Amino acid sequence: DAGVTQSPTHLIKTRGQQVTLRCSPKSGHDTVSWYQQALGQGPQFIFQYYEEEERQRGNFPDRFSGHQFPNYSSELNVNALLLGDSALYLCASSYREEAFFGQGTRLTVV
Amino acid sequence: AQSVSQHNHHVILSEAASLELGCNYSYGGTVNLFWYVQYPGQHLQLLLKYFSGDPLVKGIKGFEAEFIKSKFSFNLRKPSVQWSDTAEYFCAVGSGGYQKVTFGTGTKLQVIP
Repeated sequence: DAGVTQSPTHLIKTRGQQVTLRCSPKSGHDTVSWYQQALGQGPQFIFQYYEEEERQRGNFPDRFSGHQFPNYSSELNVNALLLGDSALYLCASSYREEAFFGQGTRLTVV
Repeated sequence: AQSVSQHNHHVILSEAASLELGCNYSYGGTVNLFWYVQYPGQHLQLLLKYFSGDPLVKGIKGFEAEFIKSKFSFNLRKPSVQWSDTAEYFCAVGSGGYQKVTFGTGTKLQVIP
């Protein structure tokens, strides 16, 4: 058990819709990062949250946004879904030199 | 911008064979380097990491990696693989610890009993 919990595990959405994915970090971890892993590819960094603020951002459009709550949990929001957004979305929590990944949310856009 | 290149996409080995997976990175500053493993149906797990100090890093399950700064490499090694090592392996580079970690495309390792 990685200690990082993501919900839901699977999701099917229609093009143009909006989706919210959730992540609860491992206890004691204050930083949450989100990644997109397309089929056959390595995870791609979306953004990272620390102290409720976006600290770093990868090369993703503004349709991808996020939030971190005071309890360090986080949400990833994607607006105006495209077919190409279909992927496994991974959350990783970290504290200093320790980091763990969750099982991911499999998003399918039809 | 940082980038990671993994040379082998698919490797097939017999049990007890030695393993070396190549990883080269591109980044102008101080790097932190990682190897992650993803077993079938499971989440990504950290095998080992390099932040500073001894460039020969030992990780879990008998894996080790060597950071060679002059070659921008961080190759993963294991002297004798087991069937249970069948998985996908990802090399990754980050700056400032786990900030903005960039992953390679992964190497699928298949170990034949």
